[in-house]
Amino acid sequence: GENVEQHPSTLSVQEGDSAVIKCTYSDSASNYFPWYKQELGKGPQLIIDIRSNVGEKKDQRIAVTLNKTAKHFSLHITETQPEDSAVYFCAASGGSRLTFGEGTQLTVNP
Amino acid sequence: EAGVAQSPRYKIIEKRQSVAFWCNPISGHATLYWYQQILGQGPKLLIQFQNNGVVDDSQLPKDRFSAERLKGVDSTLKIQPAKLEDSAVYLCASSLGGTIEKLFFGSGTQLSVL
Repeated sequence: GENVEQHPSTLSVQEGDSAVIKCTYSDSASNYFPWYKQELGKGPQLIIDIRSNVGEKKDQRIAVTLNKTAKHFSLHITETQPEDSAVYFCAASGGSRLTFGEGTQLTVNP
Repeated sequence: EAGVAQSPRYKIIEKRQSVAFWCNPISGHATLYWYQQILGQGPKLLIQFQNNGVVDDSQLPKDRFSAERLKGVDSTLKIQPAKLEDSAVYLCASSLGGTIEKLFFGSGTQLSVL
């Protein structure tokens, strides 16, 4: 089955800096890659997703890039704000099941 | 639009007891998922329903876990008997179509098994 690895497990940045989270996946048939943000005591919330026929997607301060050959994808957050502090999960799917990474705890220091 | 509703919010039980969780998905969402999230890990799929039929329950420990979705709307997840390793947050999610895109998650039920 699919295996998703996510790095780093913790990331601390200063407000206004950029943050990058990277994930690799094992199944070359995977074609859908979402990113979820989970705040304390809440369920994960979809923030951006990308399909394998697209190399990059942007939504305001958030962008995701995909390298199908290397089987890795990344989340980029620019101009970070304290409210960006949360756990971020990447996931991959080649069919009906999502496989999640282990998560990255992002802390944005004011 | 109301989100995915789950109850209870917290549950503490002793091992070998039974427990049930309830989920009400977003209105009109045909697909419903139950995920288990152990502390410090990503969510892991337990079971997926399409309307009231099971699509994927390959990762559900069927000797102790059961789930149903009557009338294709609400769903319940039951554990009987519970083990210490079942301590986790149980998340319910729903999506409009039959794919795993655009999942909406509830806030989950935090289960502690003592």
